[in-house]
Amino acid sequence: DARVTQTPRHKVTEMGQEVTMRCQPILGHNTVFWYRQTMMQGLELLAYFRNRAPLDDSGMPKDRFSAEMPDATLATLKIQPSEPRDSAVYFCASGLGLGRAGKGQGTQYFGPGTRLLVL
Amino acid sequence: AQSVAQPEDQVNVAEGNPLTVKCTYSVSGNPYLFWYVQYPNRGLQFLLKYITGDNLVKGSYGFEAEFNKSQTSFHLKKPSALVSDSALYFCAVMNYGGATNKLIFGTGTLLAVQP
Repeated sequence: DARVTQTPRHKVTEMGQEVTMRCQPILGHNTVFWYRQTMMQGLELLAYFRNRAPLDDSGMPKDRFSAEMPDATLATLKIQPSEPRDSAVYFCASGLGLGRAGKGQGTQYFGPGTRLLVL
Repeated sequence: AQSVAQPEDQVNVAEGNPLTVKCTYSVSGNPYLFWYVQYPNRGLQFLLKYITGDNLVKGSYGFEAEFNKSQTSFHLKKPSALVSDSALYFCAVMNYGGATNKLIFGTGTLLAVQP
């Protein structure tokens, strides 16, 4: 049963520290998404990759957040320096883009999330 | 611009009764419509989607949704609710033929099923 994996599942850090979250998309998926979920803002799209190329990171605070896909099996989201307002659950999702044939096209499959607390 | 509205923050239903979670959408082209469920401390799970064809879509766990183009709605339904259905439900839309594969999510509806 293929699934998206995320590490770490939980992270507690102090303000100013660097945080790196990792995601392994489902093998064969060509789109990867990073979301942030908070009680106040709900689910926000931070960044979106297709075929490892960043297509949209307009939802991401540019000064402290960065997202990359070093290879097809790894996506990273980095916060440097972290702030208390970054405390949230960060989800990664992967899928088959609409340009790819198949029943699963368009559907995004979510990982379990990384729960981040910045003190 | 694309958007999704879930007008109810919470829906309460008794176990065994039918349930409906409402969703309306706005999109310029043809929509792909999705429902996801989120259980506490878990990621979102795909339930079902509408792409084209039959307006009634059947999904996981006995859920179904009806696409209504004239009312721009995609309500989620289940004939008989279970306590285990209690969770947060998200409706989402994607603009088929659009330049991106982004999903636009609604704000979520908390379903509470009482025993």
